[in-house]
Amino acid sequence: GAGVSQSPSNKVTEKGKDVELRCDPISGHTALYWYRQSLGQGLEFLIYFQGNSAPDKSGLPSDRFSAERTGGSVSTLTIQRTQQEDSAVYLCASTQGTSGRTQFFGPGTRLTVL
Amino acid sequence: SQKIEQNSEALNIQEGKTATLTCNYTNYSPAYLQWYRQDPGRGPVFLLLIRENEKEKRKERLKVTFDTTLKQSLFHITASQPADSATYLCAPPSDKLIFGTGTRLQVFP
Repeated sequence: GAGVSQSPSNKVTEKGKDVELRCDPISGHTALYWYRQSLGQGLEFLIYFQGNSAPDKSGLPSDRFSAERTGGSVSTLTIQRTQQEDSAVYLCASTQGTSGRTQFFGPGTRLTVL
Repeated sequence: SQKIEQNSEALNIQEGKTATLTCNYTNYSPAYLQWYRQDPGRGPVFLLLIRENEKEKRKERLKVTFDTTLKQSLFHITASQPADSATYLCAPPSDKLIFGTGTRLQVFP
């Protein structure tokens, strides 16, 4: 597609439920990133996929968080047993070629855990 | 440790003036720096990339400088407009593209 897309745009869930957030990167981009941003805070790196390499999961805050990228394209971020502190905007970005280059961000998914 | 710092306080200026935002780095020699704009509730949007061997880069009303002696990059918006109001983020080269909280710019009519 023309840009990075994410779905859903908004998600409200109850504490303890699992959620899945989806990211469609720009076609041909080999690297994909997940971040989250709490209200009034900076971006917090979560996980990074580059091609077929093992993902860098160093930013995942707990083992309730996981992500996968199928076929080198679409990625799903899963949060199990959601907690209220998981409420944030979850942003996905993709980049072409090597890491650290210009990232193109999606519109984000606003997650609210009640 | 390596650090990228931006002024976390908001910058308020009058329309038509030049806004100048600062990005300082320590214990670090980035090969380039990137500047992004973020509007509330949206993802950051790339604006400019400046390499360490470039003193200055321009794009329309935007100008970025990179001073490796001062370990600083300045981001200027000339003839600022209320539509320029946003948070501006500086980011070094990194797999994780670590951003600071950025500097919020508010341009008043």
